[in-house]
Amino acid sequence: EIVLTQSPGTLSLSPGERATLSCRASQSDPNNLLVWYQQKPGQAPRLLIYGASSRATGIPDRFSGSGSGTDFTLTISSLEAEDFAVYYCQHYSGSPPMYTFGQGTRLDIK
Amino acid sequence: QVHLQESGPGLVRPSGTLSLTCVVSGGSVSSANWWSWVRQAPGKGLEWVGEIYHGGTTNYNPSLKRRVIISLDASKNQLSLNLTSVTAADTAVYYCTRVWGGGFDSWGQGTRVTVSS
Repeated sequence: EIVLTQSPGTLSLSPGERATLSCRASQSDPNNLLVWYQQKPGQAPRLLIYGASSRATGIPDRFSGSGSGTDFTLTISSLEAEDFAVYYCQHYSGSPPMYTFGQGTRLDIK
Repeated sequence: QVHLQESGPGLVRPSGTLSLTCVVSGGSVSSANWWSWVRQAPGKGLEWVGEIYHGGTTNYNPSLKRRVIISLDASKNQLSLNLTSVTAADTAVYYCTRVWGGGFDSWGQGTRVTVSS
């Protein structure tokens, strides 16, 4: 089973700044089935990025995903007030089927 | 756009069975999709519970496999979750989701379940 480790645990930034969130997998996945979510308090998670780098429908282009193998990154180019939330990465393995989440990165307003 | 709505008892006794349903609208559980349950304990991260395909094929989180059953009811366009022998560790918000792109693209609002006597 792949274990995902997100860093940092908490990131404090100001609106307009660039945010870089990391997700490291314990094993390499050539399929890059890595997904990113945003979750705000009291809400369900929202799919942001799938396939490591493809933006989901309706996601602003300030959100971008990159990486391959074991190291993946979510970048928010210029933070807006509504971006302060918790972000999770998630991986899918097909054999056996298993979806694994990272522990989350909290993005706080500085 | 598919809409998912979970429902079920908010309180379950220890050693009892947690039973939830998720009504799907704007889509069909009989379509070629996987449907899944994800849970989140209070103040914690996300945990995949299991998934079901429209034909009835299921996959479960190995840590829960002995206690969980997910089923579909096409006539009601809904999916269900049954989790037996619950303990306080099963206290969580349970989300119904649609699987897409290796992740979950549609989520219900979630239903909170507390296991307590």
